[in-house]
Amino acid sequence: GQQVQQSPASLVLQEGENAELQCNFSSTATQLQWFYQSPGGSLVSLLSNPSGTKHTGRLTSTTVTKERRSSLHISSSQTTDSGTYLCAIDHYGSSGNKLIFGIGTLLSVKP
Amino acid sequence: AQTIHQWPVAEIKAVGSPLSLGCTIKGKSSPNLYWYWQATGGTLQQLFYSITVGQVESVVQLNLSASRPKDDQFILSTEKLLLSHSGFYLCAWRQSSYEQYFGPGTRLTVL
Repeated sequence: GQQVQQSPASLVLQEGENAELQCNFSSTATQLQWFYQSPGGSLVSLLSNPSGTKHTGRLTSTTVTKERRSSLHISSSQTTDSGTYLCAIDHYGSSGNKLIFGIGTLLSVKP
Repeated sequence: AQTIHQWPVAEIKAVGSPLSLGCTIKGKSSPNLYWYWQATGGTLQQLFYSITVGQVESVVQLNLSASRPKDDQFILSTEKLLLSHSGFYLCAWRQSSYEQYFGPGTRLTVL
């Protein structure tokens, strides 16, 4: 079935450094979303980017659909960026439409 | 603006006891609704989805059931909790093929 793999598993940065997170998926995705999950568990949608490049604030996502990969670049990291970053893709299967999530990248930004 | 509310915020329950978790969407008519579950340290998994009142499809069998009694309400329940039901439960909505938006979640501890 559809799989989503994220790397690195964890990342430790000093405040102000940039982060590059990777997401690879096993078949064509019609929708790809990046989420931030806080240490408390709540999920926030960061970017929806099924193809091309999108920017919002300090975040840039680039998705190359035919290579089945997406990246999330965080510039000038802040301590408040700490948390887990999840990549998810749409999957249309026998049980309908569902989002398949990766395990995430745990980001820790030190002051 | 759309808001999504989940209740309760957290629950501690005994094995074998019943459970009911709720989710309400305001400001959006006829949304697609979803229940997700995340074990501690695990991947988010979609459990159920519903595209209309009274219709719920199961994606993953976890000895749980879901119902959609009203357009803006989604309920997750079981008559007998298992230890393996512990984790974080998230409700989400989407309109057609657009992004999914998540509620704040319910943390369940089964003892």
